[in-house]
Amino acid sequence: QQQVKQSPQSLIVQKGGISIINCAYENTAFDYFPWYQQFPGKGPALLIAIRPDVSEKKEGRFTISFNKSAKQFSLHIMDSQPGDSATYFCAAASNFGNEKLTFGTGTRLTIIP
Amino acid sequence: EPEVTQTPSHQVTQMGQEVILRCVPISNHLYFYWYRQILGQKVEFLVSFYNNEISEKSEIFDDQFSVERPDGSNFTLKIRSTKLEDSAMYFCASIRAGQAPWETQYFGPGTRLLVL
Repeated sequence: QQQVKQSPQSLIVQKGGISIINCAYENTAFDYFPWYQQFPGKGPALLIAIRPDVSEKKEGRFTISFNKSAKQFSLHIMDSQPGDSATYFCAAASNFGNEKLTFGTGTRLTIIP
Repeated sequence: EPEVTQTPSHQVTQMGQEVILRCVPISNHLYFYWYRQILGQKVEFLVSFYNNEISEKSEIFDDQFSVERPDGSNFTLKIRSTKLEDSAMYFCASIRAGQAPWETQYFGPGTRLLVL
């Protein structure tokens, strides 16, 4: 019940295209959904996050779409750039869980010219 | 910009040896975490620490693991008798807490532990 499922495992997108990564959760106590970006040899860094009281959040080229009834959320990267090539992790946390993050399995995104 | 720091960046040890991984969280942060990431796998929660005590731990965090905040700045993870399966990247994270229900967890760059 604590799992966060993430797909796809890897994704190749052409420069300028839209990258879409999907996540699903089971635990209805989750109420904070961040996305982290990780470059090789580095720690995860927060990219964007959403609370379930809104269905969408946009920051620059990055958008989270959230579907509470389906218990799904996704990350959209518009106008994908080579510098976006990284591993992306969705995560979830609960107010009753000391804010510990439960991570998805990660998506390795490669943007090709 | 303040950041979480971790030392060492890499550690190689023999099975059965004790290791201590060190972290310096961001100075005004109050909640501290350890996570690990086995190569190619997801990041997994190990333990959270607040007010000088463990607030939550995962099933991975067994009796071989311990955490300590020996002074006002360092936060350590000790593995008493390392096993081959402890080989992973270990991340420290911290949050400020108290200002908002949901705050950014800031992660350190990690310590890559290799147990031979």
